[in-house]
Amino acid sequence: DGGITQSPKYLFRKEGQNVTLSCEQNLNHDAMYWYRQDPGQGLRLIYYSQIVNDFQKGDIAEGYSVSREKKESFPLTVTSAQKNPTAFYLCASSSEDYTDTQYFGPGTRLTVL
Amino acid sequence: GQNIDQPTEMTATEGAIVQINCTYQTSGFNGLFWYQQHAGEAPTFLSYNVLDGLEEKGRFSSFLSRSKGYSYLLLKELQMKDSASYLCAVPHSGNTPLVFGKGTRLSVIA
Repeated sequence: DGGITQSPKYLFRKEGQNVTLSCEQNLNHDAMYWYRQDPGQGLRLIYYSQIVNDFQKGDIAEGYSVSREKKESFPLTVTSAQKNPTAFYLCASSSEDYTDTQYFGPGTRLTVL
Repeated sequence: GQNIDQPTEMTATEGAIVQINCTYQTSGFNGLFWYQQHAGEAPTFLSYNVLDGLEEKGRFSSFLSRSKGYSYLLLKELQMKDSASYLCAVPHSGNTPLVFGKGTRLSVIA
């Protein structure tokens, strides 16, 4: 079964701790994305990447970091510098470039206590 | 840049037809996407329009007018399971990712 997986589905952390969210895809897609969604809000772009070892900041990159060491993996680290980290985090991928259809993983709901 | 506007909420009756509008402003147009998102779940792709006109796909249709910066999603024979948020999205100009509207929360009532 091809798709995008994110783990875990729910994550709890104490304030001040860094946490890494996993995103893996076996669709052979080149482009991958991280979005954040707050209640009643649309999706806001955190980081995106079109090729291995290259990524760009989105609209709200402050307090986040990513890596793209493998084509199929795009982990997101939420650092202690992120002021309001509690949110629903969505990873997506598209086949070639940014104008292709994006397909989403199931999401990780992060709660910082 | 992009500015995308959608109504925040709509309510419609089971079996009816509903039209969800989206207006956008963009410096370069590369197509418009519609996604459906049930509460607590990930968005799923519904449709993509790059040319003017109506694209029909079963109970769902999507319309685009590039000259007016306007699109709508038409849902026919509404079912309770259609209660969800509907997100409109357009790519940035050039080779940059999608920008999403805040979504329209549709409630289907009996």
